[in-house]
Amino acid sequence: AQTVTQSQPEMSVQEAETVTLSCTYDTSESDYYLFWYKQPPSRQMILVIRQEAYKQQNATENRFSVNFQKAAKSFSLKISDSQLGDAAMYFCAYRSPWGTDKLIFGTGTRLQVFP
Amino acid sequence: GAVVSQHPSWVICKSGTSVKIECRSLDFQATTMFWYRQFPKQSLMLMATSNEGSKATYEQGVEKDKFLINHASLTLSTLTVTSAHPEDSSFYICSARTRDNQPQHFGDGTRLSIL
Repeated sequence: AQTVTQSQPEMSVQEAETVTLSCTYDTSESDYYLFWYKQPPSRQMILVIRQEAYKQQNATENRFSVNFQKAAKSFSLKISDSQLGDAAMYFCAYRSPWGTDKLIFGTGTRLQVFP
Repeated sequence: GAVVSQHPSWVICKSGTSVKIECRSLDFQATTMFWYRQFPKQSLMLMATSNEGSKATYEQGVEKDKFLINHASLTLSTLTVTSAHPEDSSFYICSARTRDNQPQHFGDGTRLSIL
């Protein structure tokens, strides 16, 4: 069975600085999808970024980028030029391309942004 | 686009009553909807996957008779917590997707409190 591990329960960053959130996963599949979701205090889950395992190029979305290391089964999220609105819980998630394509979430990292 | 509406956002009821939570895709047809449960300061745990017009697939350990899921149309799925007890108090989140390999879009969640 696949597992997702986020080893940082909490992280903090100063506004305008850069922060990296870690995520590792375990799977025997060669093809899969990885996601970072943001859950602000309003509790709605928002998709931040998505990576297909067959793509070697790291995904980027404006200030958000990932460092995808397939061999190491690592999928970290880098937030550049952090803003106060980035404060939230961040969840890393894995999805198999087969079967019901359910999401398997990590335990989350709470990110605080200080002015 | 890709808006998922969940209703109600917060419900408080007495022990022993049944509670229905609705999940609607407002601007797309959702062939598959997912129901998650989130305990305070914890990650999302998938409860069940429902495909329009067929029975839901429940995750191991989730009581089918306790958590009734109906996905009668391409835009609506409902979760009914039957004979609710205080231990059923939690945050319930639904998500929906259009077709295979498309991202899941999440609702705002429902906070259920059983007295």
